[in-house]
Amino acid sequence: RKEVEQDPGPFNVPEGATVAFNCTYSNSASQSFFWYRQDCRKEPKLLMSVYSSGNEDGRFTAQLNRASQYISLLIRDSKLSDSATYLCVVNIGFRGNTGKLIFGQGTTLQVKP
Amino acid sequence: DTEVTQTPKHLVMGMTNKKSLKCEQHMGHRAMYWYKQKAKKPPELMFVYSYEKLSINESVPSRFSPECPNSSLLNLHLHALQPEDSALYLCASSQPDRLNEKLFFGSGTQLSVL
Repeated sequence: RKEVEQDPGPFNVPEGATVAFNCTYSNSASQSFFWYRQDCRKEPKLLMSVYSSGNEDGRFTAQLNRASQYISLLIRDSKLSDSATYLCVVNIGFRGNTGKLIFGQGTTLQVKP
Repeated sequence: DTEVTQTPKHLVMGMTNKKSLKCEQHMGHRAMYWYKQKAKKPPELMFVYSYEKLSINESVPSRFSPECPNSSLLNLHLHALQPEDSALYLCASSQPDRLNEKLFFGSGTQLSVL
């Protein structure tokens, strides 16, 4: 079983739609969780951290379910500019001071006019 | 604009060449990373340096040799690479934090091995 798993998609949605992505992780001791966005031929960029209480940033909402070991990302009112690959990142443990941050395989979103 | 700078942006090398990838950050971060990314795949962790010491080596072949001269710089020395090593090499930095360590990436070096 992979340490971090995502449905690769692609998810094809019309503008204005609401879309949700899930990500599961295998290490119950994982401490921190993130969603990154990666555009074609660009580096990944931090979209948002994911907290146990859930958190929202504009049209984006992230949730963490520790009992079931999954995190989710909800995008409301999709824009064409949201088209990208969304990567789930989990800190699966520590060596000394530094975490080991592992990426899921990414979910591709294509928003169409 | 990214605050992690990688050079060169593109590199073509033969299997007998020796080359180096360079990464620099000025955010005061004390952890630096090398990731490798193939097309349509996620970044794969290669090495982590924490406070200038190598803390994680993900069983990377010895033809890849990392070096951290100081807290702002990270190099990846390449020697006798194979065509399958062609990929995007991403450098990242973070401030070690047990609860919320976040990665900041450079724009990468696109490497082609002929």
